[in-house]
Amino acid sequence: EPEVTQTPSHQVTQMGQEVILRCVPISNHLYFYWYRQILGQKVEFLVSFYNNEISEKSEIFDDQFSVERPDGSNFTLKIRSTKLEDSAMYFCASSEWASGPTYNEQFFGPGTRLTVL
Amino acid sequence: GDSVTQMEGPVTLSEEAFLTINCTYTATGYPSLFWYVQYPGEGLQLLLKATKADDKGSNKGFEATYRKETTSFHLEKGSVQVSDSAVYFCATEGSGGSYIPTFGRGTSLIVHP
Repeated sequence: EPEVTQTPSHQVTQMGQEVILRCVPISNHLYFYWYRQILGQKVEFLVSFYNNEISEKSEIFDDQFSVERPDGSNFTLKIRSTKLEDSAMYFCASSEWASGPTYNEQFFGPGTRLTVL
Repeated sequence: GDSVTQMEGPVTLSEEAFLTINCTYTATGYPSLFWYVQYPGEGLQLLLKATKADDKGSNKGFEATYRKETTSFHLEKGSVQVSDSAVYFCATEGSGGSYIPTFGRGTSLIVHP
């Protein structure tokens, strides 16, 4: 069964460093998402991406964050200068179509745990 | 904005026990409601959903009923198994033109043999 994969499973970095989190969405999906979950808190939406453009983003997704689809398979989240509060589990997801007016199921990867020291 | 509140975990049960994980929500209008499950080492998977009031979503022995009066969507299972050990996330569909789901914190379920 097709699945979303994410690498690495755990990333440790120093404050101020750049990190790139990688995701391989399901191959025929067109819409891609990033979410994060700070330990003990809610899963929060960061950004959605379609046709090489950001289609929606949350307040969390500020100028420190960027997303890219560098080739036909990968979807990346870059944090330019990490802060302690960026420590979280980051989930990638993909869906075949965008939602609206009915929800289109998103398929999630297992997550990357980012630890900023 | 929309929000989802779930009971705190971990919930620890013996095999064959009855499970309830409470979920309440605040939202504009009447969004679809979801339960996702995350097994160890895997991504979140859609477990069940309900799209309108009084609908019951069900899958793999789990059920949840959309209760508009109490703004709740509690997850239940009559007899849990060790393999049900996972983290369960309640979520609402987005509103105001966004269909991005709003998630709760997740509730960890541990089932002992």
